[in-house]
Amino acid sequence: AQSVTQLDSQVPVFEEAPVELRCNYSSSVSVYLFWYVQYPNQGLQLLLKYLSGSTLVKGINGFEAEFNKSQTSFHLRKPSVHISDTAEYFCARPLAQGGKLIFGQGTELSVKP
Amino acid sequence: EAQVTQNPRYLITVTGKKLTVTCSQNMNHEYMSWYRQDPGLGLRQIYYSMNVEVTDKGDVPEGYKVSRKEKRNFPLILESPSPNQTSLYFCASSFHGGPTEAFFGQGTRLTVV
Repeated sequence: AQSVTQLDSQVPVFEEAPVELRCNYSSSVSVYLFWYVQYPNQGLQLLLKYLSGSTLVKGINGFEAEFNKSQTSFHLRKPSVHISDTAEYFCARPLAQGGKLIFGQGTELSVKP
Repeated sequence: EAQVTQNPRYLITVTGKKLTVTCSQNMNHEYMSWYRQDPGLGLRQIYYSMNVEVTDKGDVPEGYKVSRKEKRNFPLILESPSPNQTSLYFCASSFHGGPTEAFFGQGTRLTVV
C-alpha cells in the first residue's frame, strides 16, 4: 500500500534559522507528493506539489522541497523561518484515482524568538 | 471567493444523539471527501464522493454516513455518536479524482461526551 512517513512529530527552531521537515514515501510506479500547512484553528492549505518534471519544487511563503527518487524522500525546507511559520505541516500523497490523499502523521513546527 | 464551508466549527454533544456536519463548496468540484484528524495519525479519509449520488467508503467509515444529493453539498452524518468519534473533521473537494490539489474547509471540532 502507498504510504507517507513523517519522521519528526515536533521540530522546535529559532527565528531566522533554517529548517528541514522530513518526509519519506513508499515507492511505486507513479509518485505524486504534496506538502500542506495547517495554521492554528484553520484548515489545510497547499504549500507545494510535485507531479512530474523538476525535482526541486518551490512553493508559497519561501518553502521548497526536493523530490529524491533514490532516497524515496520529499523533504521540506526553508532557509530562514519566521514566527508566523509556526504551524503543523503534512506531507501527503494523492492517489492517481479516487480523489484520495494519504497523509503523513504531521510535524509541528514551533518557531521561537 | 473559492471556498469549502463547514458548519458548525465546534460541537459538543452527548453519546447517541444524532448530528450532521454540513459541507458546501462553490468551485463546482466533482470530488468531495471527509477526513478526521487525530494526534499522531494525520488525516484519514472517512468517505468520499465522485459525483452526485455516488459515494464510497474511505479508510475509517464505521459509525458515519454521507449523502450527495447536490454537487455542492456533502454532509457527514453521525447517527449515534460515541466518544471515540471525538476528533477534528475536515471536508475537502477537488476538481477531479486524479492527483490534483484538494481544497479544505476550516474544520469541525467535535466532542462526544
